[in-house]
This record gives sequence, C-alpha cells and structure tokens, in this order.
Amino acid sequence: GAVVSQHPSRVICKSGTSVKIECRSLDFQATTMFWYRQFPKQSLMLMATSNEGSKATYEQGVEKDKFLINHASLTLSTLTVTSAHPEDSSFYICSAHGTEQFFGPGTRLTVL
Amino acid sequence: KNQVEQSPQSLIILEGKNCTLQCNYTVSPFSNLRWYKQDTGRGPVSLTIMTFSENTKSNGRYTATLDADTKQSSLHITASQLSDSASYICVVSAERGTALIFGKGTTLSVSS
Repeated sequence: GAVVSQHPSRVICKSGTSVKIECRSLDFQATTMFWYRQFPKQSLMLMATSNEGSKATYEQGVEKDKFLINHASLTLSTLTVTSAHPEDSSFYICSAHGTEQFFGPGTRLTVL
Repeated sequence: KNQVEQSPQSLIILEGKNCTLQCNYTVSPFSNLRWYKQDTGRGPVSLTIMTFSENTKSNGRYTATLDADTKQSSLHITASQLSDSASYICVVSAERGTALIFGKGTTLSVSS
C-alpha cells in the first residue's frame, strides 16, 4: 500500500519553543493531507485539513496561530507547534489522501 | 449528529481464540466504513474498507461485515495471535471518502 512518513518520530522540547513535524507521501501525490492529535487511550481528533497551495482548514477549537500548517507541495505538509506548552504534549498523526486515506506512523511530542 | 460507537471498550482473550468487535454508526450520507489496527505508539493501518453494497470483506484472519440497513459492522479475528494486541478503530466516511468519523476504538489484549 501507499506509504506516508513522518519526521521526527519522537521529539522532546522545552516549553516556549517551536517544533516542526513533517508529513510526506512517499509514492503518491496528495492534494489533501490531514493532521490529527491523539491523547492516551483516546481516538484520533482531527485538527486541520491541509490543501496543497491554499490555507489549511482548522477544526473548531484548534488555534490556527499556534498550529501552523504548510502544504507546499503535493507530497509534503508540515505542522509547526509554536510556543509549545506541556499541554501540547501528544501524539500527532498525519494522513494523506490518495485513492484513500493513508496514515503516517505518528510523532510523539513531549514538552517539558 | 454523526457518531461511531464501538464495543467493547477493551477485551482480553487467550492466544488462538476468536473474537468479534462491534461498531455502530449514525453517519449520513454514508460513503464507506473502514477498520484500522493501531499498535501502541504507531499510526493506524488499514485492515478493510467496505462500501454500501459490500456485506463482508476478509483480510487474512480479519473478516469485516457490514449491515448498512442497521448501520452495524463487526470485525472478526480468527485464531488470535499475540501480535493482534492493539487498538482496533472503526472509521466511517461521511462524504466522498475524505471526512472521517472515528470510533474510540477497542483495545484488544491477546495473552499466552
């Protein structure tokens, strides 16, 4: 099946710093990518929909100025968590829509 | 309101035994239903995807059923293995395969 990668797989940062997470579709082009957040023992929660070449669409309650999304090409979307705080610690998962949605392996963010 | 409910919330079975996970949904208009397996700390991996006209679909030891009239689906796992221990998530697509509604998942533990 199609492959979606994320980098880094795990990141630890200090409170107040910014962290960038990359999501790549390795063998297909994705006009639409999605960013999810998952807390322990919870299901995936959609944060935003990223469309190549246009602004992302954020779900209600997700701060667009805090979670910056850039979808610069058909194979790459980035999520930048700005001024991270401990409550932003979570598992961030992206997915890319080709013939169907394929999920990345996730990025574990820990903010100290 | 579009919702996906799964049961049981968690399940413990002995290796080699069979089990069935349930998914009920109230999603309209319905596009398709997917079952994903998510290992701890990893992204979801697709097991099956079924459209309105499909009643059953198999993927190795995994067999999914769909009753579009009652809006119920099940995932049957045959001859469970230790590696089947994971969270199984039922996901329903509301429109044209992009908007996904996630269930909270069933956590399966297979013990020896």
